[in-house]
Amino acid sequence: ETGVTQTPRHLVMGMTNKKSLKCEQHLGHNAMYWYKQSAKKPLELMFVYNFKEQTENNSVPSRFSPECPNSSHLFLHLHTLQPEDSALYLCASSPHADQETQYFGPGTRLLVL
Amino acid sequence: SQQGEEDPQALSIQEGENATMNCSYKTSINNLQWYRQNSGRGLVHLILIRSNEREKHSGRLRVTLDTSKKSSSLLITASRAADTASYFCATGTSGTYKYIFGTGTRLKVLA
Repeated sequence: ETGVTQTPRHLVMGMTNKKSLKCEQHLGHNAMYWYKQSAKKPLELMFVYNFKEQTENNSVPSRFSPECPNSSHLFLHLHTLQPEDSALYLCASSPHADQETQYFGPGTRLLVL
Repeated sequence: SQQGEEDPQALSIQEGENATMNCSYKTSINNLQWYRQNSGRGLVHLILIRSNEREKHSGRLRVTLDTSKKSSSLLITASRAADTASYFCATGTSGTYKYIFGTGTRLKVLA
């Protein structure tokens, strides 16, 4: 409905697994974002890409690895996660990364066992 | 420390009543946005107000911004059951691509 899609919508993984989250936007935007939303905590910005270049890495552990092959696609590669990484991971996009409205995808609900 | 803090944390009202949510922040901002999130879904942008604006309207929504008090309010008039959601404010600051979100207000509108 917002032009930003995320797959999968739900993911259960063990701590030794490797998985990837995918985000795609059909809005022609140039900036894309990854956020983490945990229960009872503010939405946390993880990464920002502007014109395929990473412009923000908000002190995210290296077990999260982003990839932005083009302005329409954003991936979050997951490796050896911890149970506390269980959360809703939200992707968003905006026309540019400079202070504009962000359009969010529906999120991937991740459970790490 | 957290930039945006919404108040109250939870609000329950009857359909047809008005709902008011507040957001306080700590540092100077360029703009402030309000978003809505239905349970377990993505956020939906509602309204953006710039630091040189004091009030904006969009349909049944009214947002005010008081930069001297570092606060904003979101008023939803004539609430409906479909307005049941969490509402977040997000502040944007010059020189950064970050928007800082608060923990949100959970609004429940009873039919």
